[in-house]
Amino acid sequence: QKEVEQNSGPLSVPEGAIASLNCTYSDRGSQSFFWYRQYSGKSPELIMFIYSNGDKEDGRFTAQLNKASQYVSLLIRDSQPSDSATYLCAQGPGGTSYGKLTFGQGTILTVHP
Amino acid sequence: DAGVIQSPRHEVTEMGQEVTLRCKPISGHDYLFWYRQTMMRGLELLIYFNNNVPIDDSGMPEDRFSAKMPNASFSTLKIQPSEPRDSAVYFCASNSDRGSETQYFGPGTRLLVL
Repeated sequence: QKEVEQNSGPLSVPEGAIASLNCTYSDRGSQSFFWYRQYSGKSPELIMFIYSNGDKEDGRFTAQLNKASQYVSLLIRDSQPSDSATYLCAQGPGGTSYGKLTFGQGTILTVHP
Repeated sequence: DAGVIQSPRHEVTEMGQEVTLRCKPISGHDYLFWYRQTMMRGLELLIYFNNNVPIDDSGMPEDRFSAKMPNASFSTLKIQPSEPRDSAVYFCASNSDRGSETQYFGPGTRLLVL
């Protein structure tokens, strides 16, 4: 059983629209959640991390965390073609351990002009 | 800072040959991670180190894979003997326990085993 599940893609949205990426996780002990973006042929790079229930906004990006539902999402407002990439959701370790992230399979996003 | 450095960037080898991948983490980072990424299996953690000590190697697929970290600025991932199913992109990442759990990835080594 996968510990981190992402909504199946690929996801295609028109330029200027809101892209919604979703992720569920199974480890209730996780305290930290991450969204990484990976362009084709490149390495993953961090977009945002979130620790607390609710929303966290950074520019056009909003991460939402609901620990009761074990759900984390990423909203991209005013999507641009440059946002086209694979988005990886990751959860941090539960308990007192540190460092190990578990990644989902990724969702491919295409923003078309 | 130069970021995480990996070498080689591309490696093509024949089945049965030994392959050694190298990684230099960001200076001052305490944790180093080795990942493998394929289309079928996504991004998988193979092993990670804390202060040069292996903490969790449960992701290492089999005995053909080994990893070492002889000092804080260098790590190797070795595959011996290599097989075609080892073809993947291998990423090294590092982070510090003095901040968030954000991991910083290197550019990766694209391995093709023929």
